[in-house]
Amino acid sequence: NFVLTQPHSVSESPGKTVTISCTRSSGSFAGYYVQWFQQRPGSSPTPVIYDDNQRPYGVPDRFSGSIDRSSNSASLTISGLKTEDEADYYCQCYDSTNVVFGGGTKLTVL
Amino acid sequence: QVQLQESGPGLVKPSQTLSLACTVSGGSINSGSYYWNWVRQPAGKEPEWIGRIYSRGPTNYNPSLKSRVTISLDTSKNQFSLELTSVTAADSAVYYCASSPDYSYYYMDVWGEGTTVTVSS
Repeated sequence: NFVLTQPHSVSESPGKTVTISCTRSSGSFAGYYVQWFQQRPGSSPTPVIYDDNQRPYGVPDRFSGSIDRSSNSASLTISGLKTEDEADYYCQCYDSTNVVFGGGTKLTVL
Repeated sequence: QVQLQESGPGLVKPSQTLSLACTVSGGSINSGSYYWNWVRQPAGKEPEWIGRIYSRGPTNYNPSLKSRVTISLDTSKNQFSLELTSVTAADSAVYYCASSPDYSYYYMDVWGEGTTVTVSS
């Protein structure tokens, strides 16, 4: 099995850009897509990135995803930060037997 | 796009079986177009995938829960269900059902609003 490690929290000012990392402990991202979810308090997770870098319909292009295979890490970048982006963000990946979520990153926009 | 709604008891006693249902609207549970997942999230923690079922293939479970979990389809009610046996306080969580498109079984694109289950005597 593997673990996805994220920073516990990040903060940035409105209008700026923030990047949240997600590192896979073992195995490789190669052949296994990464998803990113946004979760506001009291709400269900909603996808903001799927298949490493694809945006679901309705998600603004301020959200982007990437993979760095050399460091076995994925990243979610949010540009032009808005106060409404303040939420918990989770990465998610899988292997042949399991689906795993990262520990989550609390994004504060202040 | 489908819509999902969880239902079931909010309180379960230790050692008993937790049973939840997810009602699907906007699509047939037997169409083969979706995988149907259960995910749970303890308070203040990350989501944990429990398992998924597909009408045209095998059911898959999280290895850490596999011995206690059963996911099944009820086509007459357009529902899928979760049973988790021998529950303890560690099973207290918000339980979500979620769908994945058949071309991307790992991508849970639609989620229910969740139902809170507390395990306590």
